[in-house]
Amino acid sequence: ETGVTQSPTHLIKTRGQQVTLRCSSQSGHNTVSWYQQALGQGPQFIFQYYREEENGRGNFPPRFSGLQFPNYSSELNVNALELDDSALYLCASSLGVRISEGYTFGSGTRLTVV
Amino acid sequence: SQKIEQNSEALNIQEGKTATLTCNYTNYSPAYLQWYRQDPGRGPVFLLLIRENEKEKRKERLKVTFDTTLKQSLFHITASQPADSATYLCAPSGNTDKLIFGTGTRLQVFP
Repeated sequence: ETGVTQSPTHLIKTRGQQVTLRCSSQSGHNTVSWYQQALGQGPQFIFQYYREEENGRGNFPPRFSGLQFPNYSSELNVNALELDDSALYLCASSLGVRISEGYTFGSGTRLTVV
Repeated sequence: SQKIEQNSEALNIQEGKTATLTCNYTNYSPAYLQWYRQDPGRGPVFLLLIRENEKEKRKERLKVTFDTTLKQSLFHITASQPADSATYLCAPSGNTDKLIFGTGTRLQVFP
């Protein structure tokens, strides 16, 4: 199987709830990065996982957390949802942490917090 | 802090013309610079990567330049087509840096 798969594609949650987003990385890739993209903005880096360990984090609060599993798939968890968390959440996979090739992105999960 | 600037206004050009998009960065010395295409509601798609020691890179109708003195990259699409209409994102990065994106420039190619 090739490509990055994200689920669900769309999600509506209420403020204060918790959400889990899932990502299956491209075959052969061991690194997963998560991004948040608000409308009209570029993707903002949340964090990266390499071989099941967090390998860098952007300017996001601790209520954004993640996991990477032995098969290199990943989850993004967001607790205590706020209205401003409404965005497109993108997962990208790559081989290793050295940037010498492009990232492969999934189609994203559109999260709406009401 | 690092800053990446792309044309915030949409670029409208006629089919067949060359589109040129600009990416400027400050407080940064990237080893690479990547360009991605993003269609509405979709994830970015990797187009080209250029290294700091490369002045120019081409792929079919695409050309990217990288001027480390000016801290600028130019992205050209020659013989543009309506199907090229999308948002184009630049992402300068270090060797093991995380990929950080600009805000993107929306390109509209009209017949």
